Amino acid sequence: EPEVTQTPSHQVTQMGQEVILRCVPISNHLYFYWYRQILGQKVEFLVSFYNNEISEKSEIFDDQFSVERPDGSNFTLKIRSTKLEDSAMYFCASSELAGGPGELFFGEGSRLTVL
Amino acid sequence: GENVEQHPSTLSVQEGDSAVIKCTYSDSASNYFPWYKQELGKGPQLIIDIRSNVGEKKDQRIAVTLNKTAKHFSLHITETQPEDSAVYFCAARRTDSWGKLQFGAGTQVVVTP
Repeated sequence: EPEVTQTPSHQVTQMGQEVILRCVPISNHLYFYWYRQILGQKVEFLVSFYNNEISEKSEIFDDQFSVERPDGSNFTLKIRSTKLEDSAMYFCASSELAGGPGELFFGEGSRLTVL
Repeated sequence: GENVEQHPSTLSVQEGDSAVIKCTYSDSASNYFPWYKQELGKGPQLIIDIRSNVGEKKDQRIAVTLNKTAKHFSLHITETQPEDSAVYFCAARRTDSWGKLQFGAGTQVVVTP
């Protein structure tokens, strides 16, 4: 069964450093997303991406965050200058159709620890 | 914005019994309600979903009911098995916000043999 893959599974970084989290969505999917889950809290929407541009972003997704699809397969989340409160599990997801059947397929997550 | 509340936060059931998880939502523009199961170390996996034009949907041992008037929806798992042990999340999505799921806080379900 096709799946969304994420790397790294765990990254530890120092506050102020840049981090790039990588995702390979399911190959025929056109819509891509990042969510995050701070320990003990709800899964939160960060951003959705379609046709090489951001479709929607939450208030969490401020100027320190950016997303990119640098080639035909990868979808990346960059955090420019990490803060302690960025420590969380980051989930990438993809879907084939917007609105239609609507199923989002999630990856296993990248755990980010900011020290 | 949308706010999704989920109860209970933990649920312990005997194998073979039923489990029910309830969610409420606040935004009347929400029209899609998926349920996700998350096993340890894995990402959320869709197990069932329902749209606002349907009141109930069933898939083998899993069913979801939706009451639009009261703005609540529930997940029912019958004949629970140890492999049903996981964290379950409800979510809601607005008609005009196709990528943005608003999640509940999750329910840790433990099925004891």
